[in-house]
Parts: sequence; structure tokens; C-alpha cells
Amino acid sequence: GAVVSQHPSRVICKSGTSVKIECRSLDFQATTMFWYRQFPKQSLMLMATSNEGSKATYEQGVEKDKFLINHASLTLSTLTVTSAHPEDSSFYICSARDYQIEVGGWDEQFFGPGTRLTVL
Amino acid sequence: GDSVTQMEGPVTLSEEAFLTINCTYTATGYPSLFWYVQYPGEGLQLLLKATKADDKGSNKGFEATYRKETTSFHLEKGSVQVSDSAVYFCALSTGNQFYFGTGTSLTVIP
Repeated sequence: GAVVSQHPSRVICKSGTSVKIECRSLDFQATTMFWYRQFPKQSLMLMATSNEGSKATYEQGVEKDKFLINHASLTLSTLTVTSAHPEDSSFYICSARDYQIEVGGWDEQFFGPGTRLTVL
Repeated sequence: GDSVTQMEGPVTLSEEAFLTINCTYTATGYPSLFWYVQYPGEGLQLLLKATKADDKGSNKGFEATYRKETTSFHLEKGSVQVSDSAVYFCALSTGNQFYFGTGTSLTVIP
């Protein structure tokens, strides 16, 4: 099956620094990748949709200058948390879509293992 | 708008008990339906899916049937194991976006 990797799996940083998280589709091309944030014991919150070669589409309430997304190739999207603060501590999960059209149409997202960010 | 409503947890069961986690959805058009599982400290893994009405998804003893008439996709397993302890998310896809339920935490005790 399709595999999505994330790096790093865990990162601890000081307040005010920037952190970059990579999301890679390993065996398929992903024109669209998604970034989610998950708070403890809660569901996933979609932050933004990342399209290869174009600007990301951010969900309402997500600061685009705070969470920079770059989708430079069909297999790589990056999320940079700029000037991180303790309230940015969270579990960040990316997913990639390998779009297939069948009768009735369906698509599936493949999820990365997540990145645990802790800002001190 | 499109949405998923999932049974609230947490759910605690004894090993070999029967499991049902309810999921209902609201959607325009014909969504695909999914169940994802998240083990502690890990990302989401696809458990099963169904792409059209009356389809039954199944995997690792879990089953769910896409019921258009009741707009439901309930997850069931006949005999749970300790290793099934995890958080389960129901989700739907309309082709443009995924919508997740709030997740149901399952703990299976020996």
C-alpha cells in the first residue's frame, strides 16, 4: 500500500525558534497533501491543503504566516512552524491523496505517522 | 454541510466481548466512508472502507456496512482483543475533503 513518512517523529524546541516538518509520499505521487493538528484526546483538525506547485489553502482560523506550507514536488510537502510558542505544542499529522476515479468515484488519504512538537 | 457523528467514548470492554461503535453521517452526493485506527503515539491507519451503498468493508475481524437508508457506517467486531485498544475514527470523503468524527477510545481489558 501507499506509504507516507514524516520527519522528525518528535521535536523539542525553545520558544521563538522555527521548526520544519517534512511529509513524503514514498511510493506514489501526491498532487495534494493535507496537514492536520491533533490535540490530546481530540479529533484531527484540518489546518491546510497543500497543492503541488501552488499556494496552500488554509482553513479558517489558521495563521498562514505562522504555519508556512511548501509543496515543492509531487512527493514532498513541508510545514514550518515559525516563532514557535508553547501553545503550538501538538501532534501534527500529514496525509497525501492518491486520487483514483472509479465507478462512483472515490479517493483515499494516506496518513503519515505524525510529529510530536513540544515547545518549551 | 458534510459531517460525521460518532459515538462518544471511552468504551471499555472485556476481552472477547462484542464491539459496536456507532457512526452516522450527513453528506450531499455519494461519499466514501472510512474507519481509521490510531494506536497510542502513532498516526492514523486505515482500518476499512466502503465506497458505495450496501458495501461492506472488513479487515482484521472488524466490519462496517455502508447504509444509505440510515446514513450509518457502524463498526463491529465479534470478539475484541487487548491489542484492539486504540482510538477509532469514522470519516467520510466527498472527493475534496475528509471529515472526521471525534474519535472513540476503546480499552479492552483481559
